[in-house]
Amino acid sequence: DTAVSQTPKYLVTQMGNDKSIKCEQNLGHDTMYWYKQDSKKFLKIMFSYNNKELIINETVPNRFSPKSPDKAHLNLHINSLELGDSAVYFCASSQKGGGLRGGPQYFGPGTRLTVL
Amino acid sequence: KQEVTQIPAALSVPEGENLVLNCSFTDSAIYNLQWFRQDPGKGLTSLLLIQSSQREQTSGRLNASLDKSSGRSTLYIAASQPGDSATYLCAVPGANSKLTFGKGITLSVRP
Repeated sequence: DTAVSQTPKYLVTQMGNDKSIKCEQNLGHDTMYWYKQDSKKFLKIMFSYNNKELIINETVPNRFSPKSPDKAHLNLHINSLELGDSAVYFCASSQKGGGLRGGPQYFGPGTRLTVL
Repeated sequence: KQEVTQIPAALSVPEGENLVLNCSFTDSAIYNLQWFRQDPGKGLTSLLLIQSSQREQTSGRLNASLDKSSGRSTLYIAASQPGDSATYLCAVPGANSKLTFGKGITLSVRP
């Protein structure tokens, strides 16, 4: 049973297109995250949702819009894709306040986005 | 602003060797520290989470230690195997649980 799953695994698209990445967790966690891993393998937080409510929005272009239909899902929609958006995007989840005396964050397998 | 450093960036050892991976952080006001493993082209696997009240956490051949006052954590791998070859990342949570990651140490264990 996959704990945190993402679709698609690979996404190749042209500049200017709009695309979505889906994430689902079956761990019963309240908090979900999106991270971006760039070409230098550096991981950085983008967004965090707690029980469908946005709690972290780092300095990310507003072309990126997360949507959480319920606490088990956190999707990432990207408008007007640019070359610099090429990266691996990871979804993660944790118990509420996972970093605050809580449990670990569990990561999905990642979505490799390539913008041509 | 929290900064997490992992040095060296890469490490190559012969099979069977015991090794230590280092992680340092600038803000010692952390609640826990998490070690991850990332295989090439794959996601992150959580290895160990050590709470700030703990000094050590063990899982199999892995042992993580935490010294908050000095801003350091180490991941000890006993009797290394080729299958341990991967990138090892440490991360600490900040406000709202967002993780700040180090850049990772790429470990290669030679048969």
